[in-house]
Amino acid sequence: DAKTTQPNSMESNEEEPVHLPCNHSTISGTDYIHWYRQLPSQGPEYVIHGLTSNVNNRMASLAIAEDRKSSTLILHRATLRDAAVYYCILMNYGGSQGNLIFGKGTKLSVKP
Amino acid sequence: DTGVSQNPRHKITKRGQNVTFRCDPISEHNRLYWYRQTLGQGPEFLTYFQNEAQLEKSRLLSDRFSAERPKGSFSTLEIQRTEQGDSAMYLCASSLFRGTGELFFGEGSRLTVL
Repeated sequence: DAKTTQPNSMESNEEEPVHLPCNHSTISGTDYIHWYRQLPSQGPEYVIHGLTSNVNNRMASLAIAEDRKSSTLILHRATLRDAAVYYCILMNYGGSQGNLIFGKGTKLSVKP
Repeated sequence: DTGVSQNPRHKITKRGQNVTFRCDPISEHNRLYWYRQTLGQGPEFLTYFQNEAQLEKSRLLSDRFSAERPKGSFSTLEIQRTEQGDSAMYLCASSLFRGTGELFFGEGSRLTVL
């Protein structure tokens, strides 16, 4: 399974932008980049996903490098509710679709 | 609430006992997944179903673990002869095959084996 590398933890101040990096140097052409986050005592929740182009939704933006070997999840204005573990995951729709392989993720702390 | 529902939310049992968890997915979702999560780790895949067919099982799913989805709707995960190492959060998720691939997770069932 393709692997991703994320920093163990990051800190941010409230109302400032946050850039969460993810390296996936072994990504294949059919791998989608998915981001999930897990708030304390809750199950993971979907944030965003993309293949090649940058993506925006109401929660975040996803910036994908031109060579697709890295990506960055962007929270435009962090709030205290954004404190969570963020997981960057590769999903190959041609294989076992939906079998997400989670790493340890990045624990984001948001300071008021 | 039309999200993924898991029961019970908490279960405390003695070593050697059997436990069963139930997952009710989002109604139109044909894929259902079970994950296990221990403290400080990301969720680990256990198994998944498409409708009633169990399509993949992880090596983590020992012979003491069995999962079913008899009518392609709700699913149960049974752990026989529980061990202290089985203490974890058991997460269920569902998705729509050929959808966006987004998985919707329940809040999990926390198991403590004494």
